[in-house]
Amino acid sequence: EDKVVQSPLSLVVHEGDTVTLNCSYEVTNFRSLLWYKQEKKAPTFLFMLTSSGIEKKSGRLSSILDKKELFSILNITATQTGDSAVYLCAVGGYTGANSKLTFGKGITLSVRP
Amino acid sequence: DVKVTQSSRYLVKRTGEKVFLECVQDMDHENMFWYRQDPGLGLRLIYFSYDVKMKEKGDIPEGYSVSREKKERFSLILESASTNQTSMYLCASSLDLLLEGDTQYFGPGTRLTVL
Repeated sequence: EDKVVQSPLSLVVHEGDTVTLNCSYEVTNFRSLLWYKQEKKAPTFLFMLTSSGIEKKSGRLSSILDKKELFSILNITATQTGDSAVYLCAVGGYTGANSKLTFGKGITLSVRP
Repeated sequence: DVKVTQSSRYLVKRTGEKVFLECVQDMDHENMFWYRQDPGLGLRLIYFSYDVKMKEKGDIPEGYSVSREKKERFSLILESASTNQTSMYLCASSLDLLLEGDTQYFGPGTRLTVL
């Protein structure tokens, strides 16, 4: 059974801090790892990491994938209150021609002013 | 922009009622998904569909069924709603998770309460 574990479950930091969110996985026929941000609505896509793209960066957010050790981290530098959200990690695997994502439980990040 | 819409944002039903949750996407995506999201449990896949009239069970299909008669529409059915099906239901679609650069787009969610 595919499995995605995120840690820590929750985190409280102050504005300006740097945070590292962790995601480890076990999945059959790995294809991709995705990070999402979820505020009080549906998840919105942040990054996709695959065998051919193991590092991604967008502004203050960056992510790496370690396919050997089966984990990914999401870094947020100079955090702002608007970064407060649940961060979801999902891993895409497939059997035959079909594909699906397995999600972790999410990490709740609270950024205090 | 991809748009995934769900028929209701909030729904209140009684135990034993039949419940239909509708999802429509406008990007000609092959794959569509139904998840439920509960505190402490994260997002869990109920069913997904990779083509019209095709469906696959996810991790928690019990108590649910689905229908995909048209490519753009994926329905989740609760044949006889129970209180433990009170949850946030999220629909998603993707072109193909096998392709680099592809992703999964979510609808706004339906918060279902079963009394």
